[in-house]
Amino acid sequence: EVQLVESGGGLVQPGGSLRLSCAASGFTFSSYHMSWVRQAPGKGLEWVSGISRGGDGTYYPDSVKGRFTISRDNSQNTLYLQMSSLRAEDTALYYCAKGGLEHTRSGPDCWGQGTLVAVSS
Amino acid sequence: VVVTQSPLSLPVTLGQPASISCRSSQSLVYSDGNTYLNWFQQRPGQSPRRLIYQVSKRDSGVPDRFSGSGSGTDFTLNVTRVEADDVGVYFCMQGRLWPYTFGQGTKLEIK
Repeated sequence: EVQLVESGGGLVQPGGSLRLSCAASGFTFSSYHMSWVRQAPGKGLEWVSGISRGGDGTYYPDSVKGRFTISRDNSQNTLYLQMSSLRAEDTALYYCAKGGLEHTRSGPDCWGQGTLVAVSS
Repeated sequence: VVVTQSPLSLPVTLGQPASISCRSSQSLVYSDGNTYLNWFQQRPGQSPRRLIYQVSKRDSGVPDRFSGSGSGTDFTLNVTRVEADDVGVYFCMQGRLWPYTFGQGTKLEIK
């Protein structure tokens, strides 16, 4: 069974940093593109970042570019999201999401339960 | 790419059909010939779940009451007979251009 378990969320002050982790199991992690998608409380879904199978390709929307860094450790089956210069508008539930073998254009076929990030003073 | 869903709220009687529209600001046909419009269901308190990918391909375990159709910029998610288990928010998502984007969501509720 495919499982994605996020951790690392919490309360952080504006301007602070946080590192999220996602432990993957039940599939060959290194063969799949991975992503982070967030959902602000009571709001819709926003793609935060994506990473290729080997980690050499990374993608960000303008809203987080330069502040967030996605990475992966295929030897540990773990996905990461390093977040810095956090703002109130980054407050959201952050989901780890599994993409496809070649890309994630067809959308994630598996999502974690999410880890909550709250940015507030 | 802006993706716009309608309606945003959809009250439906049990056993009746439901239909959700999704329109994109650009064609979602990619250079590989595939159209990357996908549908997700988010039940209350749960993570999203993919139902349909590439317009009309149903994910494993998704009841055949759910179907997707459309082309270019106009797409539809249809539910033939709504059941209580279908309550939740439905999102369409485009994978044609980065950043991939979701529609605002349609809240399906039982009337």
